[in-house]
Amino acid sequence: QVQLVQSGAEVKKPGASVKVSCKASGYTFTGYYMHWVRQAPGQGLEWMGWINPNSGGTNYAQKFQGRVTMTRDTSISTAYMELSRLRSDDTAVYYCAREGITMIDRDLTGDQDWFDPWGQGTLVTVSS
Amino acid sequence: SSELTQDPAVSVALGQTVRITCQGDSLRSYYASWYQQKPGQAPVLVIYGKNNRPSGIPDRFSGSSSGNTASLTITGAQAEDEADYYCNSRDSSGNHPFGGGTKLTVL
Repeated sequence: QVQLVQSGAEVKKPGASVKVSCKASGYTFTGYYMHWVRQAPGQGLEWMGWINPNSGGTNYAQKFQGRVTMTRDTSISTAYMELSRLRSDDTAVYYCAREGITMIDRDLTGDQDWFDPWGQGTLVTVSS
Repeated sequence: SSELTQDPAVSVALGQTVRITCQGDSLRSYYASWYQQKPGQAPVLVIYGKNNRPSGIPDRFSGSSSGNTASLTITGAQAEDEADYYCNSRDSSGNHPFGGGTKLTVL
């Protein structure tokens, strides 16, 4: 079955960086965009960006540009999200989420995509 | 604008019908997708595209769209439907912002 398994919880100090991994299984890793979404405690979902696992191309939300880097290792079907210069308000659960439509079909339809499945989430705590 | 707007909270009596709405300019061009999130759990896709349900989602969940507004309707709400619901849509820049979320209470 299609599954995304994320790395474990992290505790970081302000100013440090964190790198979260998302290992995919059960499908062709390079055939679907992968997104990253975060959720601060008691807050809503916040989209951070996506990576094209085939080309390595990325698109980041403006809020995170300059601080976030999304990469992938196709040999182990794993996507990564690294956030630098951490602040206390970066404390959140970070999720990876695969698009539910292949890149080819997405380009054909042009008007819809969705996130399914999601990883289990990784809690990142930023505290001095 | 790439923003999506949702009502913060909605309530429904057990067994009744409730509509949760999502407004945004991007919805004129792109379909919304809807996610259910219960406390301590990852979001779960409930509706995508014109009105499609993933396998395992009850048929009391349905979606619709008109102009700049997308709607998620639960017909015959159950106690287990109490959750936070989020809409999402692509915009013309390739971004995928979420709505602020709607907390559904089943009375």
